[in-house]
Amino acid sequence: GAVVSQHPSRVICKSGTSVKIECRSLDFQATTMFWYRQFPKKSLMLMATSNEGSKATYEQGVEKDKFLINHASLTLSTLTVTSAHPEDSSFYICSARVTGLAGVEQFFGPGTRLTVL
Amino acid sequence: AQSVAQPEDQVNVAEGNPLTVKCTYSVSGNPYLFWYVQYPNRGLQFLLKYITGDNLVKGSYGFEAEFNKSQTSFHLKKPSALVSDSALYFCAVRVLNTGGFKTIFGAGTRLFVKA
Repeated sequence: GAVVSQHPSRVICKSGTSVKIECRSLDFQATTMFWYRQFPKKSLMLMATSNEGSKATYEQGVEKDKFLINHASLTLSTLTVTSAHPEDSSFYICSARVTGLAGVEQFFGPGTRLTVL
Repeated sequence: AQSVAQPEDQVNVAEGNPLTVKCTYSVSGNPYLFWYVQYPNRGLQFLLKYITGDNLVKGSYGFEAEFNKSQTSFHLKKPSALVSDSALYFCAVRVLNTGGFKTIFGAGTRLFVKA
């Protein structure tokens, strides 16, 4: 299947700093990418849907100014956690939507673990 | 509201025994159902999906799932569990959203397979 990468895989930062997480589709173009957040021993919570060349669509309860999403190209979407605080510590996973012969599929990145001290 | 429920936080199985991980759903219209597996500190790996057709769907690593419309269930099964199957399993449903679709995940079920 298609490959989605995330960088970095782990990041530790101080409270108040901003952290950028990249999500790349390696061998295909993705007009739509999704960003999820996973709390320990919990399910994935959809944060936002990122569309190339337009504003992201955020789920209810997700702060747009806190979690900035940019989808500037067909192979890259970024999530920036601004002024991070310890409660932002989590596992962030991106996913790309692909429409092919098998229909619409969704491929997931390996995730980024953010720890805010 | 559209949702997915996984009633078991954890399932324990002895190696070689059959396993079942339960999932029920609530959606309007025809459901698009999925199972994913997650290993520690990793992203999700696709196991199988039901879109239409045969109710019994076969997927990766010997897993299968049965779609039951009357019971609104999509339980994951494997005839003979392996220790390496120990992981976190998510049931998911794809629903239409503005501009396309979104995937709603169940809470996850942790599977422990003992040797």
